[in-house]
Amino acid sequence: GAGVSQTPSNKVTEKGKYVELRCDPISGHTALYWYRQSLGQGPEFLIYFQGTGAADDSGLPNDRFFAVRPEGSVSTLKIQRTERGDSAVYLCASSPYAGANDNEQFFGPGTRLTVL
Amino acid sequence: DAKTTQPTSMDCAEGRAANLPCNHSTISGNEYVYWYRQIHSQGPQYIIHGLKNNETNEMASLIITEDRKSSTLILPHATLRDTAVYYCIVRAPSGAGSYQLTFGKGTKLSVIP
Repeated sequence: GAGVSQTPSNKVTEKGKYVELRCDPISGHTALYWYRQSLGQGPEFLIYFQGTGAADDSGLPNDRFFAVRPEGSVSTLKIQRTERGDSAVYLCASSPYAGANDNEQFFGPGTRLTVL
Repeated sequence: DAKTTQPTSMDCAEGRAANLPCNHSTISGNEYVYWYRQIHSQGPQYIIHGLKNNETNEMASLIITEDRKSSTLILPHATLRDTAVYYCIVRAPSGAGSYQLTFGKGTKLSVIP
């Protein structure tokens, strides 16, 4: 079946602009996660959704970052007033549900964001 | 979640077993050990996880020491496609409210022809 998909695969923007990154999770997965990966580092957690609600947004670096999942499926990560330091690969993952110890997360290929 | 320590890089000859170590000396009794890998330009991929017992699946084996302070991921017959960064992650059980994965820098495994 289809895995997690993310669009666009690459996004180049200018400092100060607004960007939206989209994630389509695996159908039926109720849990959705966003991570950010800088060059040479492991992914860092940003936010986690259980259904439509953000259950944990403790990883969002500041209030320029916001994410939504209005119908409990597709999610959009929104970054306002982008800065060069926001350049990274943004990864989305989904899992059937969050409340199980054997719950693997399925990752998408990521969106590479470059802020000039 | 407990911190993990892994070697920065390792080489393995194609066809041989790759043994990737991980130290997690501060692991709590209810924390699981997970392994993911990330092939270049792809998202991370789940490999295996365990709590106390050794585990095996079609991809790998996970050996956890009796005191649970370290573990080893074993790829029994490494192929060139196994070249990737391997992440060892300690994760609290779901009841502790910690659903995210905390990645370190991982081990860069290079499988040599």
